[in-house]
Amino acid sequence: EVQLVESGGGVGQPGGSLRLSCTTSGFTFEDFAMHWVRQAPGKGLEWVSLIFGDGLTTYYADSVKGRFTISRDNRKNSLFLHMTSLQTDDTAFYYCAKTSLSTTRVFDFWGQGTLVTVSS
Amino acid sequence: DIQMAQSPSSLSASVGDRVTITCQASQDISSYLTWYQQKPGKAPKLLIHDASILETGVPTRFSGSGSGTDFTFTISRLQPEDIATYYCQQYEDLPLTFGQGTRLEIK
Repeated sequence: EVQLVESGGGVGQPGGSLRLSCTTSGFTFEDFAMHWVRQAPGKGLEWVSLIFGDGLTTYYADSVKGRFTISRDNRKNSLFLHMTSLQTDDTAFYYCAKTSLSTTRVFDFWGQGTLVTVSS
Repeated sequence: DIQMAQSPSSLSASVGDRVTITCQASQDISSYLTWYQQKPGKAPKLLIHDASILETGVPTRFSGSGSGTDFTFTISRLQPEDIATYYCQQYEDLPLTFGQGTRLEIK
C-alpha cells in the first residue's frame, strides 16, 4: 500500500525557514517523480515544485523560485522541501504527491498534508 | 502560464441528480487534463486522467470528456458520499495549474 507522510510543518516567522519532509513506502521511490502542492486554508490547490526520480532535475512555481528547494534521498525513500525567506502568503497545507507511471505530471497518491503557518 | 477556468464555483443538487462541471483551458492542452475529488479535511484523490480515463476503483457514475480547451466532468447519479470539492488540473505544461474548484453540496 502506497503511503506518504509529511512532517515538519509548524509556525515560521516572516523571513525565516522551515524544512518539510515526506516519508514514503509501498512503492519503488526512485522510479517516480515527486511533487509538492500547497493549499492555503479554505482556498484552492497550487503546484509548488517537481523533482525527477534521479534528483537531478527540478522545477518550481514562480511564487517560490529562489526561496524553496526540493530534494530527495532515494536511500531513505524521502522527499524534502526546504523553505526560506518565508512570506505570509506561504501559509498553507503542504502536500507531497507521487506521480503516476505514465506521466510525471499527474498525482496519483497524496499525503495527508502538513500545515505551515507564517506569522510573527 | 495556462489558466484553467472552472465553473460553477459551487453547486447544490439532489441525490440521484446528474451533475456537470466544466473546465476551460486558456490554450490547447490536448487531453492532458485530470479531475480530483477533495473531501473536507482530506487530501485530493485522483479520479480521472487524460480527460476521460477513470482511475481503477473509481465508481463508473463519474466520467470526463473533452479535448483541446473545453472539458466536462459528470456525475451521472449523485450519491451522498460525493459531497466534496472537485478540481481540474492541466498537465500539458509547467507550471501545472488547477481550476478554482467546484464545491458540491447536497440539497
